[in-house]
Amino acid sequence: AQKITQTQPGMFVQEKEAVTLDCTYDTSDPSYGLFWYKQPSSGEMIFLIYQGSYDQQNATEGRYSLNFQKARKSANLVISASQLGDSAMYFCAMRGGEDTGGFKTIFGAGTRLFVKA
Amino acid sequence: GAVVSQHPSRVICKSGTSVKIECRSLDFQATTMFWYRQFPKKSLMLMATSNEGSKATYEQGVEKDKFLINHASLTLSTLTVTSAHPEDSSFYICSARAGGGAGGFKNIQYFGAGTRLSVL
Repeated sequence: AQKITQTQPGMFVQEKEAVTLDCTYDTSDPSYGLFWYKQPSSGEMIFLIYQGSYDQQNATEGRYSLNFQKARKSANLVISASQLGDSAMYFCAMRGGEDTGGFKTIFGAGTRLFVKA
Repeated sequence: GAVVSQHPSRVICKSGTSVKIECRSLDFQATTMFWYRQFPKKSLMLMATSNEGSKATYEQGVEKDKFLINHASLTLSTLTVTSAHPEDSSFYICSARAGGGAGGFKNIQYFGAGTRLSVL
C-alpha cells in the first residue's frame, strides 16, 4: 500500500533563510509521481513542485527544490530565502500507478511552516 | 496555472437539508475530478474519484448515498451532501486533473478554494 509520512508537524525558520521540509514515502509501484502543495490559511491548495520517479535530476521551481533520494524513498522540499508569505501548511503527496491505487493521489499529514521576521 | 473554481466557499445549513457544491475547471478539460474532505488541522482525505460520463468511485467508508457526485461534463462536477447532519461539517475540496492517468503522473491536480460546510 502507498504511504506518505511527514514527521514535522511544525517548523520555524527565520526570514531569508532556507528550510527543509521532510517527506518519506512507501510504494511498491515502480512508477510514481511526487508532489508538494502549499495550503495557506485561506484553504486553497497551491501546487508547488513535481518529481517523477524516473527523473534523473532533482526538480526545481524558483525558490523551491525537491531533494529526491529514491533509494531512501525521501522527497524533501527545500525552500530557499524564506519569505513571510511562505508561512502556511505544506503537504507532500504521491500518485502511484494502477497497481497501487489506480492513479490516486494520497497526502501526508502536513507540516506547518512559520516564517519569523 | 490552471484554475479550478469551487462554489460556494462557505455554507451554513440546518440539519436534514441537502447541500450542493460545484467544481468547475475554467481553462482546461478535466477528465478526472476528485473530492476531498479535510478535518481541522488534518490532511486531505480522498472521498471519491469521478470521471466524466461515468459513475464515481468512492473510497472505502464513504457513503455513496450520502455524498452524491455527478460529473456531467468535462468542466463540471458536483458534490451533494444529502440530509446533512452536524457530523458532516467539514472543509470539502475539489480537484481537477487534465489528461489520462496512465503514465500521466505529471498531470498536475489543481484544487478549488474549498467549501466550508457548517451544519447546525
